[in-house]
Amino acid sequence: DVKVTQSSRYLVKRTGEKVFLECVQDMDHENMFWYRQDPGLGLRLIYFSYDVKMKEKGDIPEGYSVSREKKERFSLILESASTNQTSMYLCASRRPLYGYTFGSGTRLTVV
Amino acid sequence: DQQVKQNSPSLSVQEGRISILNCDYTNSMFDYFLWYKKYPAEGPTFLISISSIKDKNEDGRFTVFLNKSAKHLSLHIVPSQPGDSAVYFCAASGGGGSNYKLTFGKGTLLTVNP
Repeated sequence: DVKVTQSSRYLVKRTGEKVFLECVQDMDHENMFWYRQDPGLGLRLIYFSYDVKMKEKGDIPEGYSVSREKKERFSLILESASTNQTSMYLCASRRPLYGYTFGSGTRLTVV
Repeated sequence: DQQVKQNSPSLSVQEGRISILNCDYTNSMFDYFLWYKKYPAEGPTFLISISSIKDKNEDGRFTVFLNKSAKHLSLHIVPSQPGDSAVYFCAASGGGGSNYKLTFGKGTLLTVNP
């Protein structure tokens, strides 16, 4: 089974801090994704990557950047955290034509 | 512009009865549909999928129906159990050549009462 591991389950950060969320998958998938989940808004795509060093903006990329230096690792970066970035962040990987495997999520609180 | 819509934010059913969760889509290029289940503080887990060449797929208590002409799919859970209480997300892919990206609905919170 594919395993997608997110480095932290819970994080509390201060406004203005630079925040790194790490995600690692162990099945050599090309495609990796970052979503955030908010009540009433569902899952919204922030960024995705279809290969090493390749990235594309999703629906809500503002305030975020990503890094994919190795195939197994996809990092989400909040350049300057703000309170409206308090959310559940979900990483996923996917083999083409199949569904996603999600990590357990990181609950980020920005104070 | 929401391409995948789950119009019911919540649904409550009695244990042992049928749960029916609905999903509509607007993009006629979608050709693969999935349902995910999510418990609080956990990542979504894959439940069941259906390709556009089929109109029904069954897996144990879970059945997904696809009506392409109506651009509608539904998830049936029979019989419903309290452990089925979770948020259910409908997702679709295949639109515009981006077959590696899934588009999700906003989710339906299912509560199964003992």
